[in-house]
Amino acid sequence: QFVLTQPPSVSAAPGQTVTISCSGSSSNIGSDYVSWYQQLPGTVPKLLIFEDSKRPSGIPDRFSGSKFGTSATLGITGLQTGDEADYYCGTWDNSLSAMLFGGGTKLTVL
Amino acid sequence: QVQLQESGPGLVKPSETLSLTCTVSGYSISSGYFWGWIRQPPEKGLEWIAVINHSGTTYYNPSLKSRVTISVDTSKNHFSLELTSMTAADAAVYYCARVMGGSDYYDYWGQGTLVTVSS
Repeated sequence: QFVLTQPPSVSAAPGQTVTISCSGSSSNIGSDYVSWYQQLPGTVPKLLIFEDSKRPSGIPDRFSGSKFGTSATLGITGLQTGDEADYYCGTWDNSLSAMLFGGGTKLTVL
Repeated sequence: QVQLQESGPGLVKPSETLSLTCTVSGYSISSGYFWGWIRQPPEKGLEWIAVINHSGTTYYNPSLKSRVTISVDTSKNHFSLELTSMTAADAAVYYCARVMGGSDYYDYWGQGTLVTVSS
C-alpha cells in the first residue's frame, strides 16, 4: 500500500488535457517538495517536474506541476500518443525519513 | 554529462546477498548530492531503497532497513548496495540515481539491472 495515492489510470484523446493527482499527508507532500517522473514503456524513469512545479531543461511546457496542501497535480496539455506512459509522483516523508513514490498512473492517449 | 551504470549479478539464489555497484561518470561523487537506489518489480511501481552522500550520511526505506546497506567509495566514484536474505519478492529491476538533497528529486538514472531470484 502506497502512502502517496495516485489514480491507477487516466485516459484522454490526443490534443486534450489530462491531470494526474497525488495525494499525501502533512508529513510528506504538505511539508516537502514533490517531483514527477515519466516512464515510457520499457524505459528508465525520467524526471519531469521537480520542486513542485519546475521543469528540467528539455521538458516541454505542456507538462506542469502544482501543489495545494497535501495534494499535488501533474498536468499535461496537448496530449500526444507519445505521452502514453506511467507517471509517478515522489516526495520525502519527514516522519519516516524516507523517500516515497506513488503507485503510479498509467496514461492512455486514446 | 552525468552517467550512472549499475553492475552486479543478474541471478541470486534465495537467502543469499545481492551486491550491486553504481559507477558514476561525468561527475565526482565527492562534489555533492545524494546517491540512491530504487527498484521496480516486474509490472509494478517504483520502490525507494536507500540514499547516501559523499560523507556517508544514509537514509533507508524502513521496510528494508534491516536487510540493506548502502555505501560509497569516493576514490572509485561509485556507490554500492547490499541486500541480504534475498527472496522472490526482491526480484526487480534495480536502478541507481543521483538525488538532489533537500529537494529530493532524482535527476539522473542508470539504465537499471534486472535481478532474478532463483535456485
